[in-house]
Amino acid sequence: GQSLEQPSEVTAVEGAIVQMNCTYQTSGFYGLSWYQQHDGGAPTFLSYNALDGLEETGRFSSFLSRSDSYGYLLLQELQMKDSASYFCAVRDQTGFQKLVFGTGTRLLVSP
Amino acid sequence: DAGITQSPRYKITETGRQVTLMCHQTWSHSYMFWYRQDLGHGLRLIYYSAAADITDKGEVPDGYVVSRSKTENFPLTLESATRSQTSVYFCASNGRGQTEAFFGQGTRLTVV
Repeated sequence: GQSLEQPSEVTAVEGAIVQMNCTYQTSGFYGLSWYQQHDGGAPTFLSYNALDGLEETGRFSSFLSRSDSYGYLLLQELQMKDSASYFCAVRDQTGFQKLVFGTGTRLLVSP
Repeated sequence: DAGITQSPRYKITETGRQVTLMCHQTWSHSYMFWYRQDLGHGLRLIYYSAAADITDKGEVPDGYVVSRSKTENFPLTLESATRSQTSVYFCASNGRGQTEAFFGQGTRLTVV
């Protein structure tokens, strides 16, 4: 099975950089994804790492190290609208491609 | 409307009643998922499906039943609702080879 752990909460100020970590235990997976969820809303896709290394999309970067069973999401130039919960997720390698989420990190951005 | 829609958005039901949450997607995505979200637990997988008539249990399937007679629909039924099933339920889908899953807006279910 899969198990993904994330810190429960992170706080930062506008304009800063924040890193949210994800450590996992899984027997095998295709890649690590990140989703954002604002309060009262649905999760939305942010990024995907199929291979080890850094993927950059605007202010967002995501990193994966399979050898360390570790990944992170990096947000730069933080804005108030970035206050949300962030989830890492893995898709297993069975035919069902089951998508399993981590426990989530709540990011609070202050002025 | 194109996309993935859940109904109802809000539901209050009594303990012991059967209730069905609906999920409909217009993309003909193969994979569909049901999650429940509770404070402190993130998104937990209830059931998932790889195609019509192919379903399997996730992390927390007890008390739930699913069916998928058509590709576009994936209803979730609580056979005899309990207070512990009070939660926000999300349906999601993605196509073969897609890395991104698309979520419905959620159903907030309260069991009293």
